[in-house]
Amino acid sequence: AQKITQTQPGMFVQEKEAVTLDCTYDTSDPSYGLFWYKQPSSGEMIFLIYQGSYDQQNATEGRYSLNFQKARKSANLVISASQLGDSAMYFCAMREWNRDDKIIFGKGTRLHILP
Amino acid sequence: DAGVTQSPTHLIKTRGQQVTLRCSPKSGHDTVSWYQQALGQGPQFIFQYYEEEERQRGNFPDRFSGHQFPNYSSELNVNALLLGDSALYLCASSLVGKETQYFGPGTRLLVL
Repeated sequence: AQKITQTQPGMFVQEKEAVTLDCTYDTSDPSYGLFWYKQPSSGEMIFLIYQGSYDQQNATEGRYSLNFQKARKSANLVISASQLGDSAMYFCAMREWNRDDKIIFGKGTRLHILP
Repeated sequence: DAGVTQSPTHLIKTRGQQVTLRCSPKSGHDTVSWYQQALGQGPQFIFQYYEEEERQRGNFPDRFSGHQFPNYSSELNVNALLLGDSALYLCASSLVGKETQYFGPGTRLLVL
């Protein structure tokens, strides 16, 4: 079974609009962390935001926020006021702290911001 | 503050050859992880090095091996290259016990 599911292979959004990228996860480990990374066409994986399973508040980093719904095992990324430079692949990822130290990635969502 | 660096940026090899990829971690980081990203997929964990030892390993054959040096830099070696080894190889560094891994720009390997 997939540990990280990203159901949107691609999305088109008008510049300045908000966008939500979906991510669901599967784990039995009570202690885990969720990440979002951005990968432009250059290939580098850029860290955006982190949410720990015990964090009470949803994580925010500038225009990025993580809508964490623990009971639904959902960790959607919200980008406010999208910009042309936000066009990239976005990966949701998870780390299970009691299991090992690797990060498990989803298949990604390609986001296109339209002018 | 230098980020994670990788070399070379691109590499072309033929089947059966061997390749070595290099990674320097972010300043202050002591742990290096390697990932393989095939076209159109998310990265897959290969292995992780800490204190010059392989700490964990993903589902990759023994043809994939690595090393970490006293200065925390790392190498990934792949022997007997197959066409299917063509991918973007990403190195990520972190500080042991901390949540986030920071990635380098990757090395694009093409096996012909």
